[in-house]
Amino acid sequence: DAMVIQNPRYQVTQFGKPVTLSCSQTLNHNVMYWYQQKSSQAPKLLFHYYDKDFNNEADTPDNFQSRRPNTSFCFLDIRSPGLGDAAMYLCATSRDPGQGIPEQYFGPGTRLTVT
Amino acid sequence: GEDVEQSLFLSVREGDSSVINCTYTDSSSTYLYWYKQEPGAGLQLLTYIFSNMDMKQDQRLTVLLNKKDKHLSLRIADTQTGDSAIYFCAETTPRGYSTLTFGKGTMLLVSP
Repeated sequence: DAMVIQNPRYQVTQFGKPVTLSCSQTLNHNVMYWYQQKSSQAPKLLFHYYDKDFNNEADTPDNFQSRRPNTSFCFLDIRSPGLGDAAMYLCATSRDPGQGIPEQYFGPGTRLTVT
Repeated sequence: GEDVEQSLFLSVREGDSSVINCTYTDSSSTYLYWYKQEPGAGLQLLTYIFSNMDMKQDQRLTVLLNKKDKHLSLRIADTQTGDSAIYFCAETTPRGYSTLTFGKGTMLLVSP
């Protein structure tokens, strides 16, 4: 089945130790998104790629970076995780918004714990 | 500005109807969505409505949109225990690449 896959599902990292979360998709969608979701809060958009065009939200900390080496894969790099970065990280994809309903398909998420 | 508000919690009995409400502030919203999130899982799109529609029905789900009041609701008929989850309202506006703004979610608890 076509889908959005996130690895790992659970990640534990130490304070200040860089960590990378990965997302892959078999939907061949142009757009890929990274959201941060803290407990009992709304998912918050960090950034998104339209093809190779990177779009950072104004309030996304510099500690968060992203890479999209090809259509299928997108990575979230947290350079120096703090305790406040513990959250669920959700990856999503969508078609080109000009191609019909702008529907986003979400992966299952990676739950990040910072010790 | 963009802001989406939802009530935080709703409890119903199995077989009853559930109504989850949402208000939004951005009058330029083009699509409004309802997503479902089960514990430990990602978000699943349930349904959406285009801003020029008043109502959309999809099996047990009915979405009502009052654009004048910027109010969106999701009605689930014959609610089942498997419907217990967090429901997020979201809007997309004609900026950027259809980015979504989510509410904080309504936890629906269905008791037998």
